[in-house]
Amino acid sequence: DQQVKQNSPSLSVQEGRISILNCDYTNSMFDYFLWYKKYPAEGPTFLISISSIKDKNEDGRFTVFLNKSAKHLSLHIVPSQPGDSAVYFCAASARGQGAQKLVFGQGTRLTINP
Amino acid sequence: NAGVTQTPKFRVLKTGQSMTLLCAQDMNHEYMYWYRQDPGMGLRLIHYSVGEGTTAKGEVPDGYNVSRLKKQNFLLGLESAAPSQTSVYFCASSPVWGRQYNEQFFGPGTRLTVL
Repeated sequence: DQQVKQNSPSLSVQEGRISILNCDYTNSMFDYFLWYKKYPAEGPTFLISISSIKDKNEDGRFTVFLNKSAKHLSLHIVPSQPGDSAVYFCAASARGQGAQKLVFGQGTRLTINP
Repeated sequence: NAGVTQTPKFRVLKTGQSMTLLCAQDMNHEYMYWYRQDPGMGLRLIHYSVGEGTTAKGEVPDGYNVSRLKKQNFLLGLESAAPSQTSVYFCASSPVWGRQYNEQFFGPGTRLTVL
């Protein structure tokens, strides 16, 4: 069973517009969520995170929103830039699992068009 | 700092062969992890370690063994490779700071093909 789902395999956005990437989860024990960005032939790099005690976290052009009742989080990128073209993974972790084990979604390939 | 490095970058094996993937980190992190990434599946945790001399199973441990003899190194072994183990393998490490959670730092990956 896929505990973390990213239902959009790909997303295409025009440069300067807003990119919205979505992620759903099923495990109510998850209490920390992260977004990673991955370029081809590289490892994922951390982008932004949010604790379940918050509903929003902002870092520059990147904002993550968490809706606990809907078990849904989203990543907003404003404005989108060509360098944002990458695969984005959302990940979740549950307290008590130890060693901060992460459960990843399938990823969404974001393409920013000039 | 080199961060997290992985050796080798690419490898082709025949079914039944064995190999070891090496992960090294120079950030003095306590935790280390091995993931595999398959198309449409995201990253899945194979094994992890919370410190030197300790290892534990993750989500998909079957067919793999690990060892952490030194804090900076985490080895992933395939004793008898199978085509189902064709994947991209990522190593990661994370610190133990005051916060509850800390982000993981990933290596560049090893692309393994088993024929």
